[in-house]
Amino acid sequence: GENVEQHPSTLSVQEGDSAVIKCTYSDSASNYFPWYKQELGKGPQLIIDIRSNVGEKKDQRIAVTLNKTAKHFSLHITETQPEDSAVYFCAASGSNTGKLIFGQGTTLQVKP
Amino acid sequence: NAGVTQTPKFQVLKTGQSMTLQCAQDMNHEYMSWYRQDPGMGLRLIHYSVGAGITDQGEVPNGYNVSRSTTEDFPLRLLSAAPSQTSVYFCASSRKSRAYGYTFGSGTRLTVV
Repeated sequence: GENVEQHPSTLSVQEGDSAVIKCTYSDSASNYFPWYKQELGKGPQLIIDIRSNVGEKKDQRIAVTLNKTAKHFSLHITETQPEDSAVYFCAASGSNTGKLIFGQGTTLQVKP
Repeated sequence: NAGVTQTPKFQVLKTGQSMTLQCAQDMNHEYMSWYRQDPGMGLRLIHYSVGAGITDQGEVPNGYNVSRSTTEDFPLRLLSAAPSQTSVYFCASSRKSRAYGYTFGSGTRLTVV
């Protein structure tokens, strides 16, 4: 079945620096790749997503890139702020399956 | 809209007891899923449903049952609770046409002693 690997498990950056989180997936039929942010005590919230027909997508300070050949996708956060501190999850899903598989999560700490 | 509502928020069970975690959504979403979250293991899919009357197993289905008799509700049943089922459980839903932009509930923290 689908497997999603996420690295690193923890990431600490200084405020204003960039942060990059990387994921790989196993199922070549996967075509949807969302990223979620989870704050303490809350459920995950969708922050950005990308589909397999797109190589890159940006939304203000966050961007996601996808390399279908290598089965890699990454989250880039620029100009990090303390409020970006949270756990981030990547996920992957195949067409019309309703089945979304998550990576293990990355705890991002942004130091003021 | 209330979104995805999970009840209860906290629960303590004794080993061997059974219980049902409730999940309801008012967004007319076709897709619904249950995940468990454990430290260092991310979110693992237990069961999911693509519509009323249709359910399927996820990554860790053993010890759990689900049913989807209506579009709105997707309860998760623990048949005989075990300490290994101590976890935080999340329910999520998505519109099929938006393909997997899942909205999550606030979670149920379950402790089995």
